[in-house]
Amino acid sequence: EAAVTQSPRNKVTVTGGNVTLSCRQTNSHNYMYWYRQDTGHGLRLIHYSYGAGNLQIGDVPDGYKATRTTQEDFFLLLELASPSQTSLYFCASSRDWGGYEQYFGPGTRLTVL
Amino acid sequence: AQKVTQTQTSISVMEKTTVTMDCVYETRDSSYFLFWYKQTASGEIVFLIRQDSYKKENATEGHYSLNFQKPKSSIGLIITATQIEDSAVYFCAMRDNTGYQNFYFGKGTSLTVIP
Repeated sequence: EAAVTQSPRNKVTVTGGNVTLSCRQTNSHNYMYWYRQDTGHGLRLIHYSYGAGNLQIGDVPDGYKATRTTQEDFFLLLELASPSQTSLYFCASSRDWGGYEQYFGPGTRLTVL
Repeated sequence: AQKVTQTQTSISVMEKTTVTMDCVYETRDSSYFLFWYKQTASGEIVFLIRQDSYKKENATEGHYSLNFQKPKSSIGLIITATQIEDSAVYFCAMRDNTGYQNFYFGKGTSLTVIP
């Protein structure tokens, strides 16, 4: 079964702080995604990638950068964190395009004070 | 533009009964894929079942099945013989062939199974 891990699992920072969320998948999936989940909004796509070095903008990219350094690793960067970015962040991967489902990581809860 | 809508915010059912959760979608593509995911109370999100748009037969997986009505752009999730552990939030998602084949999610339906 596909494995997606995220670190840290919980993070507290202050407004203006610098935060990096990490995601690793060990199944050689091509696609990786970052979502945020907030009450009333469901899952909203921030950034995604279809391979190392590739980056695509999602639906809510403002305030976020991302980088896919390898096939396995996808990072989400908040360079000037704001309270509005307090949320539950999920990373996901899928094998390829088409009918392949996504596998989700356990989530990272970020609080920006 | 692609869109996925789940109109039921929450549902409560008695244990061992059957429940249907609704989902409608919008896409201009003739070929697309529809997924259902479950988010447990611990926050874990797991894939449940998939329907390919070109298949007429409704997908089934254990006590999950789908009611695919292509002319209505509808994909309902049916859970038979519900169990307490089915209590969770259920998300519908669509993936079409537009651009880089993003996934589009509904906002979810919260299911409570009452013993």
